[in-house]
Amino acid sequence: EAQVTQNPRYLITVTGKKLTVTCSQNMNHEYMSWYRQDPGLGLRQIYYSMNVEVTDKGDVPEGYKVSRKEKRNFPLILESPSPNQTSLYFCASRRTGASNQPQHFGDGTRLSIL
Amino acid sequence: GDSVTQMEGPVTLSEEAFLTINCTYTATGYPSLFWYVQYPGEGLQLLLKATKADDKGSNKGFEATYRKETTSFHLEKGSVQVSDSAVYFCALLSSGGSYIPTFGRGTSLIVHP
Repeated sequence: EAQVTQNPRYLITVTGKKLTVTCSQNMNHEYMSWYRQDPGLGLRQIYYSMNVEVTDKGDVPEGYKVSRKEKRNFPLILESPSPNQTSLYFCASRRTGASNQPQHFGDGTRLSIL
Repeated sequence: GDSVTQMEGPVTLSEEAFLTINCTYTATGYPSLFWYVQYPGEGLQLLLKATKADDKGSNKGFEATYRKETTSFHLEKGSVQVSDSAVYFCALLSSGGSYIPTFGRGTSLIVHP
């Protein structure tokens, strides 16, 4: 089954404790991205990657890091989380090469930073 | 730059009512247009899409027509069900080479029995 898998689904942690949210897709998609979803603000893109070893900042990259060492994986790293990073996070992927390809989303990771 | 504007929610309807969620866009070139749906506790999933002017996307009783002259892609359904309660996102992807999609802020739909 084609899917984007995020882990963990839920995490409660404390300020300053490094954490990683993993994202994996099995569709051989070139493009992957991370979003955060906050009430009243919709989806905001954090980082995206056009392919292996190619990453770029989205609209709200501060406080986050990513890496793309393999095509299928795109982890989101919070080196020193803060309470304003409490949010619902989504990973997504899509095939590039044509503008009519939709994104496929994971089920989300709800992070609470105390 | 590209932008998508959706009507503010929540939209509250009774079961079997007619639904319209407005979406207008600004983009260079000829973008592809999408509607995604997010059910409670889940990620976004594609509902329908249209890739050129006058195309109509349809799925699960929902429809949207790509109107280039009014730069709109309004979502409609003739008779909503309680199970349609969700958040709906309009999105576009420009044909100009940028593969970064642009999303609207989402519209929450609540359907009462």
